[in-house]
Amino acid sequence: NAGVTQTPKFRVLKTGQSMTLLCAQDMNHEYMYWYRQDPGMGLRLIHYSVGEGTTAKGEVPDGYNVSRLKKQNFLLGLESAAPSQTSVYFCASSFPGLYEQYFGPGTRLTVT
Amino acid sequence: TQLLEQSPQFLSIQEGENLTVYCNSSSVFSSLQWYRQEPGEGPVLLVTVVTGGEVKKLKRLTFQFGDARKDSSLHITAAQPGDTGLYLCAGIYNNNDMRFGAGTRLTVKP
Repeated sequence: NAGVTQTPKFRVLKTGQSMTLLCAQDMNHEYMYWYRQDPGMGLRLIHYSVGEGTTAKGEVPDGYNVSRLKKQNFLLGLESAAPSQTSVYFCASSFPGLYEQYFGPGTRLTVT
Repeated sequence: TQLLEQSPQFLSIQEGENLTVYCNSSSVFSSLQWYRQEPGEGPVLLVTVVTGGEVKKLKRLTFQFGDARKDSSLHITAAQPGDTGLYLCAGIYNNNDMRFGAGTRLTVKP
């Protein structure tokens, strides 16, 4: 099992550009999450999904959109990147309920 | 301000020393998790504590949940270089809201 994988690992964008981060999990988890991690701030939840076709806002959703068209995939989109979105993005998945979350290796995004 | 405060923010010790890191909130947790994160990787769950006063041990790591379920501690005995990493606590509140602390970055020098 690959667990949780994220694509790409690194990306540099210019202000105003758009991109999509892909998360895939092979553990048949219902729940999936997108976090951002910034120095001194810890992990903050952007959006999450409790099942295929469903999404919900987390703590810091502004400037991001998500889609969960297939159970195993969770996409995070930035329509118009801003320097404030420079961060490391982590995807995670879990069985229903707030139990153990399995994290991907992260995507380091820099917006110049 | 963080809903969940971790201290210290940074800790650098010699191999063989003992250490304790803390996770505190003004709110009551329904449960609390500790994760360890190594550079370039995602966090990995170490333990979940649920009951006030609960103590769990994982080899040289001892986790304690406060009686009032507002705080937790992680104690490492005889630290080793392999313990180096970012230790994150994550509190789950009664409304199923989960929040992470900013973490304690531990360095254990050989």
